Amino acid sequence: QQQVKQSPQSLIVQKGGISIINCAYENTAFDYFPWYQQFPGKGPALLIAIRPDVSEKKEGRFTISFNKSAKQFSLHIMDSQPGDSATYFCALRNAGGTSYGKLTFGQGTILTVHP
Amino acid sequence: DAGVTQSPTHLIKTRGQQVTLRCSPKSGHDTVSWYQQALGQGPQFIFQYYEEEERQRGNFPDRFSGHQFPNYSSELNVNALLLGDSALYLCASSPAILETQYFGPGTRLLVL
Repeated sequence: QQQVKQSPQSLIVQKGGISIINCAYENTAFDYFPWYQQFPGKGPALLIAIRPDVSEKKEGRFTISFNKSAKQFSLHIMDSQPGDSATYFCALRNAGGTSYGKLTFGQGTILTVHP
Repeated sequence: DAGVTQSPTHLIKTRGQQVTLRCSPKSGHDTVSWYQQALGQGPQFIFQYYEEEERQRGNFPDRFSGHQFPNYSSELNVNALLLGDSALYLCASSPAILETQYFGPGTRLLVL
């Protein structure tokens, strides 16, 4: 079953603009919500992560906003740069049960930042 | 400090063959997870190893098996390869089961 829905599939932003990617999930058995950035031919690299007891986390130009009641979280990239052009994945970590520690990924968003 | 390393980088096999992929975790990491990433998709969890035992398993058939060695390195074995097994296979390591996972560059497998 699909536990996480990521949108949009692709996003085009001008240099200096704000990029926003959203994820929604279907149950509450998750304890950690990371975002990964992946460049072509490379493995995913951890960008920023949040735990459910926090509503927002900011690291440099990257911010995660988390809405526990709505089961949604989003990634905001401020002052987007051409070097940010990559595929972004949200992920959820299972908090317990038989899938303890497993990461479930969204479908990915291809971000293109035009100079 | 080397990150997660994987070998080989690319591999071409034919249907029905068997393949072994290898992963060395980051220094200090004892937990290794394997993921399959089909083209244009997010990674899908295959299984996780800790203390040389398979701890968690995703929705993959028994053709997919693994092993973890005393030095924490790991292997992923796939038997009776199918065309649909063509994908990027990613290894991720973490210092414990519930700590952040760091990914290697992956092994690109093509099954003809």
